[in-house]
Amino acid sequence: DAGVIQSPRHEVTEMGQEVTLRCKPISGHDYLFWYRQTMMRGLELLIYFNNNVPIDDSGMPEDRFSAKMPNASFSTLKIQPSEPRDSAVYFCASSLQENYGYTFGSGTRLTVV
Amino acid sequence: DAKTTQPPSMDCAEGRAANLPCNHSTISGNEYVYWYRQIHSQGPQYIIHGLKNNETNEMASLIITEDRKSSTLILPHATLRDTAVYYCIVRTLRVAGNMLTFGGGTRLMVKP
Repeated sequence: DAGVIQSPRHEVTEMGQEVTLRCKPISGHDYLFWYRQTMMRGLELLIYFNNNVPIDDSGMPEDRFSAKMPNASFSTLKIQPSEPRDSAVYFCASSLQENYGYTFGSGTRLTVV
Repeated sequence: DAKTTQPPSMDCAEGRAANLPCNHSTISGNEYVYWYRQIHSQGPQYIIHGLKNNETNEMASLIITEDRKSSTLILPHATLRDTAVYYCIVRTLRVAGNMLTFGGGTRLMVKP
């Protein structure tokens, strides 16, 4: 299994531009999570899905952030418009059942200039 | 979910056992103890979890005290590649789903 696959690995964009981060979970996993990591705030849960349905998006910082999971094998996290304070590493993770460990992807390092 | 307290950093000599402590004095009966680690520039990696019994796998052992208020992650023979931030997380299984909340963790430095 290739694990959780995220793309792109690195993204540099200008303030005000739209950014889309992509995630392919492990096949058969029915939970998908989006986390953000910064030096100041550490790892923060943004949103998670169960069977493609968003369950809790209380961690999404503001309306500029949106996430979708159109099918079991793909999810996106979109930021529009992007701001410099959105610069962080964004991780996607998936889990088979609620009591199982999460498998994280390698992350997308986003830099907004 | 119960909060956890970990030392911010620890050192360990290569080849020796690394014992990473975690306090979770407010843990409740249905909360599990999870351990993850994050090697520099990588995503967090699941290590082990337990409820009340000690657990062992190919990576580590988890020792949970009888009152469940603290636990210790043991890496039996630490290598340089075990240098990472180790997170102890106490997690409730919710009816609507499940979440992991990461704290500050312990930065383990394995030295030659």
